[in-house]
Amino acid sequence: QQQVKQSPQSLIVQKGGISIINCAYENTAFDYFPWYQQFPGKGPALLIAIRPDVSEKKEGRFTISFNKSAKQFSLHIMDSQPGDSATYFCAASMNSGGATNKLIFGTGTLLAVQP
Amino acid sequence: GAVVSQHPSRVICKSGTSVKIECRSLDFQATTMFWYRQFPKQSLMLMATSNEGSKATYEQGVEKDKFLINHASLTLSTLTVTSAHPEDSSFYICSASGWPNTGELFFGEGSRLTVL
Repeated sequence: QQQVKQSPQSLIVQKGGISIINCAYENTAFDYFPWYQQFPGKGPALLIAIRPDVSEKKEGRFTISFNKSAKQFSLHIMDSQPGDSATYFCAASMNSGGATNKLIFGTGTLLAVQP
Repeated sequence: GAVVSQHPSRVICKSGTSVKIECRSLDFQATTMFWYRQFPKQSLMLMATSNEGSKATYEQGVEKDKFLINHASLTLSTLTVTSAHPEDSSFYICSASGWPNTGELFFGEGSRLTVL
């Protein structure tokens, strides 16, 4: 119930292409879905996040699509660049009642954008 | 965004010694801090949750006597790996949330522990 499943495990995209990473969850109590980007030897950095009251959120080249009924959400990176090459993690948490609850991370996707 | 600083970024120690890792929120008060462990090419695994002034809550399977967590102030949490062994070698990452709660966690840069 607490798992967040992420796919694919790795992804190779040509420069300028669209990178798509998918995640699925089981716990319907989750109400916060962030995506993190991590470079080797660094901590994860928040890219973009969404709450279940909207189906899509876009920030620059990054878009989250959210399907509440299917319990799935995905990250789309438009016009992918070599600098986007990193590991991407989806996550989910419950943040009701004013308290911050723990993030459950997906397994990660290693993205390589070829020039 | 808010800044979380971890120190040291890298540490090498001998087996049997103890190592302390600090996590500081630099420009906000962190009511809750989380400690994660990450093995190479794997995801982040939550070790424990700490709230300022109270005992940490450990995840199942995490030895609380080996991984001592202290959250003595709203800007500082420490993780002490006691009697470290080579299998404790890992990347340790802290994160912090502020108040009011937005759901966002701010992550530190991580600390690479190598136990010889």
